[in-house]
Amino acid sequence: DGGITQSPKYLFRKEGQNVTLSCEQNLNHDAMYWYRQDPGQGLRLIYYSQIVNDFQKGDIAEGYSVSREKKESFPLTVTSAQKNPTAFYLCASSIDYRAGELFFGEGSRLTVL
Amino acid sequence: EDKVVQSPLSLVVHEGDTVTLNCSYEVTNFRSLLWYKQEKKAPTFLFMLTSSGIEKKSGRLSSILDKKELFSILNITATQTGDSAVYLCAVEADSGYALNFGKGTSLLVTP
Repeated sequence: DGGITQSPKYLFRKEGQNVTLSCEQNLNHDAMYWYRQDPGQGLRLIYYSQIVNDFQKGDIAEGYSVSREKKESFPLTVTSAQKNPTAFYLCASSIDYRAGELFFGEGSRLTVL
Repeated sequence: EDKVVQSPLSLVVHEGDTVTLNCSYEVTNFRSLLWYKQEKKAPTFLFMLTSSGIEKKSGRLSSILDKKELFSILNITATQTGDSAVYLCAVEADSGYALNFGKGTSLLVTP
Protein backbone atom coordinates (compact mmCIF):
# COMPACT_ATOMS: atom_id res chain seq x y z
CA ASP A 1 0.00 0.00 0.00
CA GLY A 2 1.23 3.44 -0.88
CA GLY A 3 1.53 6.02 1.80
CA ILE A 4 3.64 8.15 4.07
CA THR A 5 5.51 6.71 7.02
CA GLN A 6 6.68 8.88 9.87
CA SER A 7 8.92 7.73 12.68
CA PRO A 8 9.17 7.72 15.56
CA LYS A 9 5.54 8.20 16.59
CA TYR A 10 6.57 9.45 20.03
CA LEU A 11 9.87 11.01 21.00
CA PHE A 12 11.20 12.49 24.19
CA ARG A 13 14.29 14.61 24.31
CA LYS A 14 16.17 16.71 26.78
CA GLU A 15 16.67 20.39 26.24
CA GLY A 16 19.72 21.14 24.13
CA GLN A 17 19.54 17.96 22.06
CA ASN A 18 18.91 17.82 18.34
CA VAL A 19 16.41 15.24 17.10
CA THR A 20 15.59 14.03 13.60
CA LEU A 21 12.11 12.99 12.53
CA SER A 22 11.87 10.63 9.60
CA CYS A 23 9.39 10.90 6.73
CA GLU A 24 9.31 8.40 3.87
CA GLN A 25 6.77 8.19 1.03
CA ASN A 26 6.25 5.60 -1.68
CA LEU A 27 3.64 7.56 -3.61
CA ASN A 28 6.16 8.85 -6.16
CA HIS A 29 5.19 12.40 -5.21
CA ASP A 30 7.46 15.29 -6.11
CA ALA A 31 6.47 17.65 -3.31
CA MET A 32 6.84 17.09 0.41
CA TYR A 33 6.02 19.24 3.43
CA TRP A 34 6.50 19.49 7.17
CA TYR A 35 3.80 21.04 9.33
CA ARG A 36 3.70 21.67 13.03
CA GLN A 37 0.44 21.42 14.98
CA ASP A 38 -0.13 22.92 18.41
CA PRO A 39 -3.42 22.88 20.30
CA GLY A 40 -5.72 25.55 18.92
CA GLN A 41 -3.19 26.61 16.26
CA GLY A 42 -4.06 24.53 13.23
CA LEU A 43 -1.21 23.47 10.94
CA ARG A 44 1.74 25.75 10.38
CA LEU A 45 4.24 25.17 7.60
CA ILE A 46 7.86 24.58 8.62
CA TYR A 47 9.59 23.59 5.37
CA TYR A 48 8.58 22.36 1.97
CA SER A 49 10.32 20.74 -0.97
CA GLN A 50 9.00 20.95 -4.50
CA ILE A 51 11.54 18.55 -5.93
CA VAL A 52 14.59 16.50 -5.00
CA ASN A 53 17.63 18.49 -3.85
CA ASP A 54 15.53 21.61 -3.33
CA PHE A 55 13.68 22.91 -0.29
CA GLN A 56 12.35 26.22 1.00
CA LYS A 57 11.53 27.73 4.37
CA GLY A 58 7.92 27.92 5.39
CA ASP A 59 6.33 30.27 7.91
CA ILE A 60 8.06 28.95 11.04
CA ALA A 61 11.43 27.54 9.88
CA GLU A 62 13.58 28.98 12.66
CA GLY A 63 15.22 26.22 14.71
CA TYR A 64 14.53 23.52 12.11
CA SER A 65 16.47 22.04 9.20
CA VAL A 66 15.65 19.57 6.43
CA SER A 67 17.24 17.73 3.54
CA ARG A 68 15.84 16.22 0.37
CA GLU A 69 18.52 13.96 -1.07
CA LYS A 70 16.06 11.34 -2.27
CA LYS A 71 12.59 11.73 -3.71
CA GLU A 72 11.15 9.38 -1.11
CA SER A 73 12.65 10.95 1.97
CA PHE A 74 12.30 14.33 3.70
CA PRO A 75 13.73 14.21 7.24
CA LEU A 76 13.23 17.08 9.66
CA THR A 77 15.80 17.98 12.32
CA VAL A 78 14.60 19.90 15.34
CA THR A 79 17.64 21.73 16.64
CA SER A 80 18.40 23.07 20.07
CA ALA A 81 17.76 26.53 18.64
CA GLN A 82 14.04 25.82 18.46
CA LYS A 83 12.71 27.52 21.58
CA ASN A 84 9.48 25.61 21.98
CA PRO A 85 9.83 22.28 20.19
CA THR A 86 7.16 20.29 22.04
CA ALA A 87 4.49 19.73 19.39
CA PHE A 88 2.87 17.31 16.97
CA TYR A 89 4.71 17.16 13.64
CA LEU A 90 3.01 16.13 10.42
CA CYS A 91 4.71 15.23 7.17
CA ALA A 92 2.75 15.42 3.93
CA SER A 93 3.23 15.00 0.21
CA SER A 94 1.47 15.93 -3.02
CA ILE A 95 1.88 14.91 -6.63
CA ASP A 96 3.51 18.24 -7.28
CA TYR A 97 3.54 21.58 -5.50
CA ARG A 98 0.43 22.75 -7.37
CA ALA A 99 -1.64 19.62 -6.84
CA GLY A 100 -3.67 20.88 -3.91
CA GLU A 101 -4.56 17.68 -2.11
CA LEU A 102 -2.04 16.62 0.52
CA PHE A 103 -1.49 13.11 1.81
CA PHE A 104 -0.43 13.02 5.44
CA GLY A 105 1.60 10.70 7.60
CA GLU A 106 0.44 9.63 11.06
CA GLY A 107 2.56 12.25 12.76
CA SER A 108 5.33 12.37 15.33
CA ARG A 109 4.76 13.74 18.80
CA LEU A 110 7.85 15.35 20.27
CA THR A 111 8.08 16.18 23.94
CA VAL A 112 10.99 18.11 25.38
CA LEU A 113 11.64 17.33 29.03
CA GLU B 1 -0.95 38.24 3.94
CA ASP B 2 -3.14 35.22 3.20
CA LYS B 3 -5.62 34.37 5.93
CA VAL B 4 -7.97 31.45 6.66
CA VAL B 5 -10.44 31.78 9.53
CA GLN B 6 -12.63 28.96 10.76
CA SER B 7 -15.63 29.22 13.04
CA PRO B 8 -16.68 28.12 15.50
CA LEU B 9 -13.45 26.87 17.06
CA SER B 10 -15.34 24.18 18.94
CA LEU B 11 -18.81 22.75 18.90
CA VAL B 12 -20.75 20.15 20.89
CA VAL B 13 -23.91 18.62 19.41
CA HIS B 14 -26.15 15.61 20.01
CA GLU B 15 -26.31 12.66 17.66
CA GLY B 16 -28.75 13.34 14.86
CA ASP B 17 -28.19 17.09 14.81
CA THR B 18 -27.11 18.95 11.70
CA VAL B 19 -23.98 21.10 11.94
CA THR B 20 -22.52 23.82 9.76
CA LEU B 21 -18.84 24.66 9.91
CA ASN B 22 -17.57 27.89 8.43
CA CYS B 23 -14.37 28.89 6.68
CA SER B 24 -13.64 32.38 5.41
CA TYR B 25 -10.50 33.32 3.54
CA GLU B 26 -8.46 36.14 2.13
CA VAL B 27 -5.95 35.00 -0.43
CA THR B 28 -4.41 36.49 -3.51
CA ASN B 29 -5.12 34.51 -6.69
CA PHE B 30 -7.32 31.86 -5.14
CA ARG B 31 -6.92 28.39 -6.64
CA SER B 32 -8.77 25.93 -4.39
CA LEU B 33 -10.22 25.33 -0.93
CA LEU B 34 -9.90 21.97 0.78
CA TRP B 35 -11.57 20.37 3.79
CA TYR B 36 -9.86 17.73 5.92
CA LYS B 37 -11.04 15.61 8.86
CA GLN B 38 -8.56 14.87 11.64
CA GLU B 39 -9.68 12.27 14.15
CA LYS B 40 -6.51 11.49 16.02
CA LYS B 41 -3.42 11.81 13.91
CA ALA B 42 -3.34 12.06 10.13
CA PRO B 43 -5.81 14.48 8.51
CA THR B 44 -7.86 12.79 5.82
CA PHE B 45 -9.10 14.53 2.71
CA LEU B 46 -12.81 15.32 2.39
CA PHE B 47 -13.40 17.80 -0.42
CA MET B 48 -11.65 20.13 -2.82
CA LEU B 49 -13.60 23.12 -4.15
CA THR B 50 -12.45 25.23 -7.06
CA SER B 51 -13.92 27.74 -9.48
CA SER B 52 -15.16 24.86 -11.59
CA GLY B 53 -16.51 22.84 -8.67
CA ILE B 54 -18.21 24.96 -6.04
CA GLU B 55 -20.42 22.28 -4.52
CA LYS B 56 -19.49 18.80 -3.37
CA LYS B 57 -21.44 16.07 -1.59
CA SER B 58 -20.53 12.73 -0.13
CA GLY B 59 -23.11 10.90 1.95
CA ARG B 60 -24.07 13.06 4.92
CA LEU B 61 -21.33 15.60 4.22
CA SER B 62 -21.61 18.45 1.78
CA SER B 63 -19.71 21.64 1.10
CA ILE B 64 -20.18 24.77 -0.92
CA LEU B 65 -17.83 27.54 -1.95
CA ASP B 66 -18.88 31.16 -2.35
CA LYS B 67 -16.10 32.80 -4.35
CA LYS B 68 -17.79 36.16 -4.30
CA GLU B 69 -18.13 36.34 -0.51
CA LEU B 70 -14.91 34.37 0.08
CA PHE B 71 -16.18 31.62 2.31
CA SER B 72 -17.04 27.96 2.38
CA ILE B 73 -19.29 25.88 4.60
CA LEU B 74 -19.14 22.23 5.50
CA ASN B 75 -22.48 20.66 6.42
CA ILE B 76 -22.90 17.40 8.26
CA THR B 77 -26.43 16.05 8.55
CA ALA B 78 -27.68 13.37 10.96
CA THR B 79 -24.42 13.54 12.92
CA GLN B 80 -22.95 10.40 14.47
CA THR B 81 -20.39 9.97 17.24
CA GLY B 82 -17.91 8.93 14.56
CA ASP B 83 -18.09 12.45 13.15
CA SER B 84 -16.29 13.73 16.25
CA ALA B 85 -13.03 15.19 14.97
CA VAL B 86 -11.20 18.37 14.14
CA TYR B 87 -12.23 19.72 10.76
CA LEU B 88 -9.55 21.68 8.95
CA CYS B 89 -10.05 24.15 6.13
CA ALA B 90 -7.11 25.00 3.85
CA VAL B 91 -6.70 27.34 0.92
CA GLU B 92 -4.34 27.11 -2.00
CA ALA B 93 -3.26 30.14 -4.03
CA ASP B 94 -2.08 30.17 -7.61
CA SER B 95 1.09 31.86 -6.53
CA GLY B 96 1.43 29.75 -3.39
CA TYR B 97 3.71 26.89 -2.57
CA ALA B 98 1.68 25.05 0.04
CA LEU B 99 -1.73 24.95 1.66
CA ASN B 100 -2.58 27.63 4.18
CA PHE B 101 -4.60 26.09 7.02
CA GLY B 102 -7.12 27.57 9.41
CA LYS B 103 -7.04 26.71 13.11
CA GLY B 104 -9.71 24.06 12.75
CA THR B 105 -13.11 23.40 14.29
CA SER B 106 -13.25 20.76 17.01
CA LEU B 107 -16.57 18.91 16.77
CA LEU B 108 -17.83 16.62 19.52
CA VAL B 109 -20.95 14.57 18.86
CA THR B 110 -22.48 13.18 22.04
CA PRO B 111 -24.74 10.10 22.17
